[in-house]
Parts: sequence; C-alpha cells; structure tokens
Amino acid sequence: KAGVTQTPRYLIKTRGQQVTLSCSPISGHRSVSWYQQTPGQGLQFLFEYFSETQRNKGNFPGRFSGRQFSNSRSEMNVSTLELGDSALYLCASSLPGIEDTQYFGPGTRLTVL
Amino acid sequence: QKEVEQDPGPLSVPEGAIVSLNCTYSNSAFQYFMWYRQYSRKGPELLMYTYSSGNKEDGRFTAQVDKSSKYISLFIRDSQPSDSATYLCAMSAVRRGAQKLVFGQGTRLTINP
Repeated sequence: KAGVTQTPRYLIKTRGQQVTLSCSPISGHRSVSWYQQTPGQGLQFLFEYFSETQRNKGNFPGRFSGRQFSNSRSEMNVSTLELGDSALYLCASSLPGIEDTQYFGPGTRLTVL
Repeated sequence: QKEVEQDPGPLSVPEGAIVSLNCTYSNSAFQYFMWYRQYSRKGPELLMYTYSSGNKEDGRFTAQVDKSSKYISLFIRDSQPSDSATYLCAMSAVRRGAQKLVFGQGTRLTINP
C-alpha cells in the first residue's frame, strides 16, 4: 500500500507570497493532520481534517488554512508568507477509530526568502 | 512551560550501548504515548505505542510509561549505527476522534561504529 505522499517536496518563496501544499493520505485513511516542524519549536500541530471538516486546530494565525476533499486528499495554504514560516510541513493520515496512530509523509520543505 | 519536555541532545554513544531516551509531561489527561523515529530528510515513523502506565517491548526497543511521575522512556538495547536518527515522543489524551498529538522537541541520537 502506498504511503502518505506530499507535493511538492521543496519550495522556495519570497515574503508576502502565498503557497499551497498538497497531501494524499494512505488509501482508506480519512483523517489528515498537518504539522509544522522547525529546529526551534519542534513539531507543532496545525490542524486536522476528517470527512472534509476541520475537527481540530492548533495555535497558528489565520494565515494558515487548510481543506480536505471528498477523496480525503488535503491541501494547506499559507498566505502572506513571513520569514518565520520557513519549515518542514508534515502531513499525517490515520484510520477511522485509531486517529492517534498517525502515518507521516516525507514533508514539504518550505524556504521563505 | 511546554506540555512535553524532551532533551534535544545531541546524544552520541558507541555501537552496542544501551540508549535511554526520556520525556516528561505536565498534562495528566495524556493516556496514549508514542515514540517516533525520524531519519534525516524523512517524515517521522511510529516506533512504539503504549497505553497508560507500564512497559512494552518490541525487539531491541522497550517503552516505559510512569503516569504517576509523568515520565516516559524509550530504551534501545544493542544499539546499531542504523538507529542513528531523531527520536520524538508524542502523547494524546484520546485514541479516537479529533486528534492533536503533542510532540517533544526530539532527541538527536548518533550511534558510532
């Protein structure tokens, strides 16, 4: 079974731009979570989606948003990029009923110049 | 104060040594405890999963949870160079439904041949 896939793997943007990252979960997984990983803060939870609805949200500004499609694929968007948004963005998916067991994708490395 | 504290290391030990990795937490609602391993340029992968207090063994790996002390540990026996990675502890208050895993900072481990 294919794992979680994320595209693109690497991205370079400039301040003020916006970016959209994509995540395809493992087949049959309906919950998708997004995390930001930085050397200083570690892995921080952004939001979680299930059946196209955001079920949980972390403490990030409104510039960070996401959505989930009917096929469970998910996208996250960051508007008005700041230098501090440079990070590895990780997507994770899980099976219904055992949402705490999450399978991570390889991440998208975003660099903001 | 962070909900989950983990010594970021780095930790360097010779091949064959026993490695001890630890996390402390402050939220008494956490019931489910996980250890993830993250190799460079990869997403985290689930290594061990433990519910409530107690020990769990899987090959060379042993996870311990002491809820009374709010302390969890991961032991690696007969460490191998292939164990060199960043180890992240993660915790959750619920197993099913809306999820927000809380991660430790991660400990970078190097096993020297």
